[in-house]
Amino acid sequence: DGGITQSPKYLFRKEGQNVTLSCEQNLNHDAMYWYRQDPGQGLRLIYYSQIVNDFQKGDIAEGYSVSREKKESFPLTVTSAQKNPTAFYLCASSPQSAAGELFFGEGSRLTVL
Amino acid sequence: EDQVTQSPEALRLQEGESSSLNCSYTVSGLRGLFWYRQDPGKGPEFLFTLYSAGEEKEKERLKATLTKKESFLHITAPKPEDSATYLCALNNFNKFYFGSGTKLNVKP
Repeated sequence: DGGITQSPKYLFRKEGQNVTLSCEQNLNHDAMYWYRQDPGQGLRLIYYSQIVNDFQKGDIAEGYSVSREKKESFPLTVTSAQKNPTAFYLCASSPQSAAGELFFGEGSRLTVL
Repeated sequence: EDQVTQSPEALRLQEGESSSLNCSYTVSGLRGLFWYRQDPGKGPEFLFTLYSAGEEKEKERLKATLTKKESFLHITAPKPEDSATYLCALNNFNKFYFGSGTKLNVKP
């Protein structure tokens, strides 16, 4: 089945540690996105990528980093510079960055201990 | 500044009690208004895309409409399984902007 796979589903991190969240899609979509969701708030854009080897900062990129070495993969690293990393992280893809809907993965919940 | 505002924040309905959710927006160049359903701990599930004022789309008990400034998600005779958070989003070129959602609770 085509879709977006995020892993791990749950992740615990100690303060000061970097963690990487995986996002893989087999939909052959060009554009990929990372969002953060906090309770009672809408989704906020962290980073997005329209093509391989290119990505742009979203509204809350500080403390995060990404790479896009393959079309299918868009991993997100939450660095120790992110002051409040506990959140639900959602990866999404779209066939075209300028039109069309987003398709989402099931999300990764990160908790900082 | 592009913005999406959803109301109400939460809505409690009895089974069979129809209602509407609102999504108002300001955007410089709308390239699509989207509705999603999100269950707790899950990723959002796509429902509808609307592109121009006057457009309507239906799926089972849900109907989405669009004007130049807002969109409505009408829920007719809802069932408990319709309980979820409903998100609207707009596409402005390379970015998607989301509202904070309406949490719908349908009681049997």
